[in-house]
Amino acid sequence: QKEVEQNSGPLSVPEGAIASLNCTYSDRGSQSFFWYRQYSGKSPELIMSIYSNGDKEDGRFTAQLNKASQYVSLLIRDSQPSDSATYLCAVNEGAGTALIFGKGTTLSVSS
Amino acid sequence: DAGVTQSPTHLIKTRGQQVTLRCSPKSGHDTVSWYQQALGQGPQFIFQYYEEEERQRGNFPDRFSGHQFPNYSSELNVNALLLGDSALYLCASSLANDEQFFGPGTRLTVL
Repeated sequence: QKEVEQNSGPLSVPEGAIASLNCTYSDRGSQSFFWYRQYSGKSPELIMSIYSNGDKEDGRFTAQLNKASQYVSLLIRDSQPSDSATYLCAVNEGAGTALIFGKGTTLSVSS
Repeated sequence: DAGVTQSPTHLIKTRGQQVTLRCSPKSGHDTVSWYQQALGQGPQFIFQYYEEEERQRGNFPDRFSGHQFPNYSSELNVNALLLGDSALYLCASSLANDEQFFGPGTRLTVL
């Protein structure tokens, strides 16, 4: 059973702090990795994709990938109350394009 | 540029009935994937359509079926509804093997 594991949280950080979200996956054949943000009652919104080992930065977001450790992370710098949401880690299943999702980590940013 | 659209927004059915959900992909996208998201869980892959064919299927029973039309829009059909089918049904579109973008979802309640 291919799995994606995330700490469900809640992860609570003060406004302006760095939020660190982590994800591990079991399928060594996975090549594509994604972070989605989901506000309560809404659908997932793609915020980052990463395909190679290392870091990828986009504004306040940095995704980190370590395929050897089967580990993906998302850093959110200068966290804002509007960042409060559930963050879903997703990886592709083997050679296909179906996405396997974790259960999500709930982030709460207090002002 | 219109994003992914889904209809209806909400739906209430009773056990044993059949339901059809609809999805129009983002302009320029040719691949449609369907996911089921139960409360408090990450989305689970149902199946994916490309060039009007089911390209990949997740671990869902045959009661779940789909179709893709020449204009790339798609339908998800669920027969013999069970209480456990109550969930948010998400459609995601992509261009071939690229990033998947979700529509707003259809909330299905089975009574």
